[in-house]
Amino acid sequence: EADIYQTPRYLVIGTGKKITLECSQTMGHDKMYWYQQDPGMELHLIHYSYGVNSTEKGDLSSESTVSRIRTEHFPLTLESARPSHTSQYLCASSEYGRETQYFGPGTRLLVL
Amino acid sequence: QQPVQSPQAVILREGEDAVINCSSSKALYSVHWYRQKHGEAPIFLMILLKGGEQKGHDKISASFNEKKQQSSLYLTASQLSYSGTYFCGTGTNTGNQFYFGTGTSLTVIP
Repeated sequence: EADIYQTPRYLVIGTGKKITLECSQTMGHDKMYWYQQDPGMELHLIHYSYGVNSTEKGDLSSESTVSRIRTEHFPLTLESARPSHTSQYLCASSEYGRETQYFGPGTRLLVL
Repeated sequence: QQPVQSPQAVILREGEDAVINCSSSKALYSVHWYRQKHGEAPIFLMILLKGGEQKGHDKISASFNEKKQQSSLYLTASQLSYSGTYFCGTGTNTGNQFYFGTGTSLTVIP
């Protein structure tokens, strides 16, 4: 069973605030991902990492940034939140050489 | 590069069968299937790695036609618990790119 955690689970914040969404996994997976998903819609890859100090932007343009200083930790930061950032953010991880992704419970973000 | 799924949505009565298709414009190395229930994260169902491979899990099975660059998910004698959005995920042989499909919403009613 996968162990991947996201905090906070829900966040309501005002426009212009800086926020960091946390994601941690205890499986030692090298690959980690951030997806943005609106209710009932597709999964859009916004960032991914293949290991420590490796980060790449995904297919969906995003104003967020990520860092990967430790294998188990992959935080996502929005410097200045806007209402257009309102969505669900899902973190996932996979073992290098295997593509099966294990998802965290997600963070639902509402920017007022 | 994103795989296209069909149908976009389907409503079934309990006990009926359904087929969900996933087609890619790129050569595929692997196909994954996930199910996401409302308000939850996607859960991995199965992976198919070889062309022509078929796998089954309870009454849910899948096939992978490498030549046609497509996969199909078969849900037999559907149960209420099968409701959710199904996503395929496709990987290429470089192993560096993985794409989730457009999703299929499946609703099973009594």
